[in-house]
Amino acid sequence: DAMVIQNPRYQVTQFGKPVTLSCSQTLNHNVMYWYQQKSSQAPKLLFHYYDKDFNNEADTPDNFQSRRPNTSFCFLDIRSPGLGDAAMYLCATSREDSKNIQYFGAGTRLSVL
Amino acid sequence: LAKTTQPISMDSYEGQEVNITCSHNNIATNDYITWYQQFPSQGPRFIIQGYKTKVTNEVASLFIPADRKSSTLSLPRVSLSDTAVYYCLVGDFMNTGFQKLVFGTGTRLLVSP
Repeated sequence: DAMVIQNPRYQVTQFGKPVTLSCSQTLNHNVMYWYQQKSSQAPKLLFHYYDKDFNNEADTPDNFQSRRPNTSFCFLDIRSPGLGDAAMYLCATSREDSKNIQYFGAGTRLSVL
Repeated sequence: LAKTTQPISMDSYEGQEVNITCSHNNIATNDYITWYQQFPSQGPRFIIQGYKTKVTNEVASLFIPADRKSSTLSLPRVSLSDTAVYYCLVGDFMNTGFQKLVFGTGTRLLVSP
C-alpha cells in the first residue's frame, strides 16, 4: 500500500538524451514536490506544485521542467541531462496545512552515461 | 528560515538510548521543529514534530526546552535498523504561505551490535 510511487527506481540515460521521471500518489494531497539528492548530500528542493500552480526554486536550472496533469501524477523532465545531473530524484507530497509533514517516494536513481 | 546545527555523526550500540540534539538559536515564534529519518537509497521519512515541551509517539520523543533554541530527538533502545541519517528542520509550516523544507547536513547515526 505504497502512498507515493516513483517509477522507475533506476534510470540510465545518455548525455543529452531527454528523460522523464514519474511520480504518483494515492494520498490526494494537493502539494507535490520534486527534490534532487546527490551522493552524501541532503535533499534539495527543485520545485513544487500547489494544486496546478507551479513554483520553481530560484536556483533550479532551466534544464529541469515539471508537469502535473492531475492531482495524482507529477512528472520531472530533464531536457538535456548532463553528467552533473546524476542523482537520486525524490518526489514528495503534503497537505497544504501541514507542509512540514511530507510523504516521500522511494526515489529514482538517475545515471547519466 | 531558522538555521539548524546538528552533530555530523553519532555512534551507538543496540539497546541504548540515543539523543540527537539540534541547535536552532534564531527560531521564530511561529516555527515548528520537525525531524526526518532517511535510510540509504530511500526517501526521508517524517518522524516527529513539536512546538514546545515534550512530544512522544511510537517511534521517538522530542524534547524542546522553554527557550526553544534547541531540541533533542530521543530514540529509545535503538536497534541496527535505526542506522540512518536524521534531519532536524525548523520553519513556519502551518501558515497559508509556502515554507519549504531545507534539509541540513543531518546526523549520521551508526548502531553497532
